[in-house]
Amino acid sequence: DSGVTQTPKHLITATGQRVTLRCSPRSGDLSVYWYQQSLDQGLQFLIQYYNGEERAKGNILERFSAQQFPDLHSELNLSSLELGDSALYFCASGRSRELFFGEGSRLTVL
Amino acid sequence: SQQGEEDPQALSIQEGENATMNCSYKTSINNLQWYRQNSGRGLVHLILIRSNEREKHSGRLRVTLDTSKKSSSLLITASRAADTASYFCADGGQAGTALIFGKGTTLSVSS
Repeated sequence: DSGVTQTPKHLITATGQRVTLRCSPRSGDLSVYWYQQSLDQGLQFLIQYYNGEERAKGNILERFSAQQFPDLHSELNLSSLELGDSALYFCASGRSRELFFGEGSRLTVL
Repeated sequence: SQQGEEDPQALSIQEGENATMNCSYKTSINNLQWYRQNSGRGLVHLILIRSNEREKHSGRLRVTLDTSKKSSSLLITASRAADTASYFCADGGQAGTALIFGKGTTLSVSS
């Protein structure tokens, strides 16, 4: 158990819809990282938050947004969903010397 | 951080054999890390090697780093079926920066 909790584990929705993925980092970790993993794109870094502030942006689409709340949990919002957004979405916390990953949220867009 | 590139993309071996995976990177690093991912699960940190280290061991894992060639290798000795997973490298970069992963090496160990 990494200590990072992600919900929901599985999510099936339709194109055009909006979903929210939730992440609770390990106790004491101020940083949260979001990654998307698909068969064709591999593991893509989306965005990083540190203590409520956006720290770094990767390949995050404009249709996607994230935030980190005062209690340090984070949410990743995906809107106007397309078939290609089907993927595993991972949250990780920790420091750059070692990241701890959650078990992921598997999103299927039909 | 930058993206490490693992090689080979896939590797199939028998139990008891050694498995070697390579990682190349493009610019200077502070450290290099290896992670394992069992199918559909979250990544798990295996080992970190600092830029001033040349070799590091952890159980059946041996990691080497050659900064002159900008490459690292992960050796798993006496492989087991349970080692079947994908393995990723990533450069640690500066403190607080995100890790960027390559596409990984998929290792299959058959009994």
